[in-house]
Amino acid sequence: GIQVEQSPPDLILQEGANSTLRCNFSDSVNNLQWFHQNPWGQLINLFYIPSGTKQNGRLSATTVATERYSLLYISSSQTTDSGVYFCTPRGSRLTFGEGTQLTVNP
Amino acid sequence: ETGVTQSPTHLIKTRGQQVTLRCSSQSGHNTVSWYQQALGQGPQFIFQYYREEENGRGNFPPRFSGLQFPNYSSELNVNALELDDSALYLCASQTDYNSPLHFGNGTRLTVT
Repeated sequence: GIQVEQSPPDLILQEGANSTLRCNFSDSVNNLQWFHQNPWGQLINLFYIPSGTKQNGRLSATTVATERYSLLYISSSQTTDSGVYFCTPRGSRLTFGEGTQLTVNP
Repeated sequence: ETGVTQSPTHLIKTRGQQVTLRCSSQSGHNTVSWYQQALGQGPQFIFQYYREEENGRGNFPPRFSGLQFPNYSSELNVNALELDDSALYLCASQTDYNSPLHFGNGTRLTVT
C-alpha cells in the first residue's frame, strides 16, 4: 500500500508564528486530503487537493502530485490550531501516517 | 458539523464480550468507512461499504464485521473483544469514491 511520511513529527509554536507541514507519499494517488484532529479526537477535513494550491483563511495547501508531496501552511497560528495534522493520499482507501503533532502556546 | 453522527461516544466493555458501534451519515452518502485509531497513532482502515456491500477491507480479523443500511446508517460489530481493541473508532462517509470523506466524532472503546 501507499506509504505516508509526515514531517516534522512534533512542532511547538508561539501564537502568531507561521509553520509549514510536509507530507511525502510513496506512489501516485488520485487525490489527497488534509485533516486536523483536535484534542477531543474530532477529525476535520481541511483540504481536498489533488494538485495545485488552495487557500482557506490562514491555512493553505499545495500538492505536487508528480513529485509525490504536499505542504500545509499555517500562518498567524492560534492556540485552537493545536492538535494532530494528517495528510491522507487517496488510493482505494485513506492511508494515514502518524501525523504532525502541533502545539501552539499562548 | 460534518453531518456524521456516531453513538455511543464512550463505551467500556470486558474482554470476551461483543460490541456494536453505530454511525449515521448524511443522505446521499453511499459509501461508509470505519477506522480504528489507537492512542498516538493515525487511524487504520477497517473496511468500507458501498450501497450495503463490503467494498474493501483492511488488515483486521473476521471478528470485526459491519453492516450498512438503506437509510445511510451503519454498524461496526466486534466479537470476542481483546484488550488491544481499546481505541477510538471512527466512521467516515462520502457521496462517492472520489469525493471528500467526512468523519464522525468517534466512539472511544475501552476493553478491560
